[in-house]
Amino acid sequence: SQQGEEDPQALSIQEGENATMNCSYKTSINNLQWYRQNSGRGLVHLILIRSNEREKHSGRLRVTLDTSKKSSSLLITASRAADTASYFCATAHSGGYQKVTFGTGTKLQVIP
Amino acid sequence: NAGVTQTPKFQVLKTGQSMTLQCAQDMNHEYMSWYRQDPGMGLRLIHYSVGAGITDQGEVPNGYNVSRSTTEDFPLRLLSAAPSQTSVYFCASSRQGRNEQFFGPGTRLTVL
Repeated sequence: SQQGEEDPQALSIQEGENATMNCSYKTSINNLQWYRQNSGRGLVHLILIRSNEREKHSGRLRVTLDTSKKSSSLLITASRAADTASYFCATAHSGGYQKVTFGTGTKLQVIP
Repeated sequence: NAGVTQTPKFQVLKTGQSMTLQCAQDMNHEYMSWYRQDPGMGLRLIHYSVGAGITDQGEVPNGYNVSRSTTEDFPLRLLSAAPSQTSVYFCASSRQGRNEQFFGPGTRLTVL
């Protein structure tokens, strides 16, 4: 069953604008990750935030995590056409293997 | 490093045929996983392995077999293909204790 649900399902913005995607999940997590998938390609890991962290930055990416609301957001600042892709949140739970459960994704289109 | 490689890139099967999807990684990662990606469903875990000789079922294991005889290789076998197995299949690997997964480019499988 899907753990993460992204919102919105699709987002279209102009180059230079900021893009915000949200992820909600159902059960307690060990950490939450965001991945990017360009059309027809495999997923690429972007950033990981642990359950005891509230905010994390990586370049133009900013991730927040609110464990009380079971939600996370990914902000991409000053978007570029090359950011056009699908973005997935993935939650990892306790346990040795820490199975990662992926959400359904947000399709981002950045218009030049 | 080649990272995670998958073959073939595309495959068309008839119902009832069997085949093996190949996956190899050259990063000496302990963990390897197989996912399928269907429209609107995100990625779902089929099988995973935490090391050579150790495999376990994921969320949607029926109709698939795996084995892990070496650290590098993790093939996925479809025993008797069904149209419901039409999907894009991704192999991923990660280091023990780290959730960041590295994905292969995927195999697009169509079962007629």
